[in-house]
Amino acid sequence: AQKVTQAQTEISVVEKEDVTLDCVYETRDTTYYLFWYKQPPSGELVFLIRRNSFDEQNEISGRYSWNFQKSTSSFNFTITASQVVDSAVYFCALSEGYGSSNTGKLIFGQGTTLQVKP
Amino acid sequence: GAGVSQSPSNKVTEKGKDVELRCDPISGHTALYWYRQSLGQGLEFLIYFQGNSAPDKSGLPSDRFSAERTGGSVSTLTIQRTQQEDSAVYLCASSLRTGLEKLFFGSGTQLSVL
Repeated sequence: AQKVTQAQTEISVVEKEDVTLDCVYETRDTTYYLFWYKQPPSGELVFLIRRNSFDEQNEISGRYSWNFQKSTSSFNFTITASQVVDSAVYFCALSEGYGSSNTGKLIFGQGTTLQVKP
Repeated sequence: GAGVSQSPSNKVTEKGKDVELRCDPISGHTALYWYRQSLGQGLEFLIYFQGNSAPDKSGLPSDRFSAERTGGSVSTLTIQRTQQEDSAVYLCASSLRTGLEKLFFGSGTQLSVL
C-alpha cells in the first residue's frame, strides 16, 4: 500500500538556522510524483514542488532545496537561513498511480509543524 | 474568483443535523477533490471528480457522506446525521486535469459538531 511518513511532528528553530524536514514514502508504483505543500496559519495549502520519480537531481529554489533519493524512498526538504514567515505545517505527498493508472489522488503525510522563532 | 473558494469558512452544528459544504473551483479546472483534515492528522482523501467521469468515492468514510458536482464546476459535500467525529477541516482542491498536476486548495471549512 502507498504511504507517506513524516516522522517529525514538530520542529522548532531559531531564525537563520537551517532546518530539514524528512519525508519517507512507500509505493508499489515504479513511476510516481512526489510533492511538498506548505500550510500557513491561514489554512490554505500552497504548492511548493512536484518531483517526477525519474528525476533524482536535487533541486534548489532560493532558500528551499529538496533531496530526492529513490534508493531510500526519501524526499527531504531543507530550508536554509529560516525566517519567521516559514512557520507553517509542511506536507509531503505521493501520487497514487502514474500515467494511465493514475487515480488522481494524492496521499499525504501527517505533516510537520515548523516554528521559527525570532 | 482567482482561487478555490469554500463556504462557509466555519460551521457549527448539532449532532444529528445535516450539513452542506460548498466548493467553487478555479474556472477551467476539470479535477476537483475533497480532503478532510482532523486535529493532529494528515489530509485524508474523501472524493475526486474528473470531468464527466464517475467520481472516485473510495475515500468517503461512511454512507452519511456524499458529494456532487454540478455542471462540472461547483461541488457540494453533504454530511447527513453528523457525528462528533465528523468535526474537522474540510478542504477542497482543484487542478487542471489530474492529481499529477499542481493542486490549488481552498482555505477550508472548519466543521464543529457539538
